[in-house]
Amino acid sequence: EVQLVESGGGLVQPGGSLRLSCAASGFSLSDHHMDWVRQAPGKGLEWLGHARNKAKSYTTEYAASVKGRFTISRDDSKNSLYLQMNSLKSDDTAVYFCARDNYGLDVWGQGTTVTVSS
Amino acid sequence: QSVLTQPPSASGTPGQRVTISCSGSSSNIGINHVYWYQQLPGTAPKVLIYRSNQRPSGVPDRFSGSKSGTSASLAISGLRSEDEADYYCASWDGSLSGRVFGGGTKLTVL
Repeated sequence: EVQLVESGGGLVQPGGSLRLSCAASGFSLSDHHMDWVRQAPGKGLEWLGHARNKAKSYTTEYAASVKGRFTISRDDSKNSLYLQMNSLKSDDTAVYFCARDNYGLDVWGQGTTVTVSS
Repeated sequence: QSVLTQPPSASGTPGQRVTISCSGSSSNIGINHVYWYQQLPGTAPKVLIYRSNQRPSGVPDRFSGSKSGTSASLAISGLRSEDEADYYCASWDGSLSGRVFGGGTKLTVL
């Protein structure tokens, strides 16, 4: 079964850091472009970043709102994608999703909740 | 303020046809495909339309997408109660070098 499972969310203080993980199963992560998307409470979807596949040299793109603070990486040996989040602000409080980019964002994880609060 | 503009709400009665619009610009919808996502309460989004008018397998043909110029539309015919959800359009923006979403449209089935 093709599946994505996020983990690593939690409560973090403003200015802190957190690393989210996205474990893929049923497909090879290295073959696919991947995205991170978040959704603040009661709000819409916000795209955070895009990580291209091995064939595209693993290049990345970021939304202006997180560029310089968030970094996407992957470990193909673990079939996992990561989102390193630094200098967190209260506005970063949201559910964070990873998604596979294949004829649209066709596979999504269940999301992991990040709360930034003192 | 979202780069793509959608109406915040839409509604219809069972069996009716409703459309949801998505307005963009020459740097996104004008040159790239549009994607539509359905998000049921408490769940992750699901792709309904890809490449502006293509349906993934398993998506009913009641859902259809179209694009013209810098705008796109999602049409839902034969409205059903289970269609009550939030709908988002998305596209790639060449100027921003990133994906952009609409603000979402909450569909209510009366």
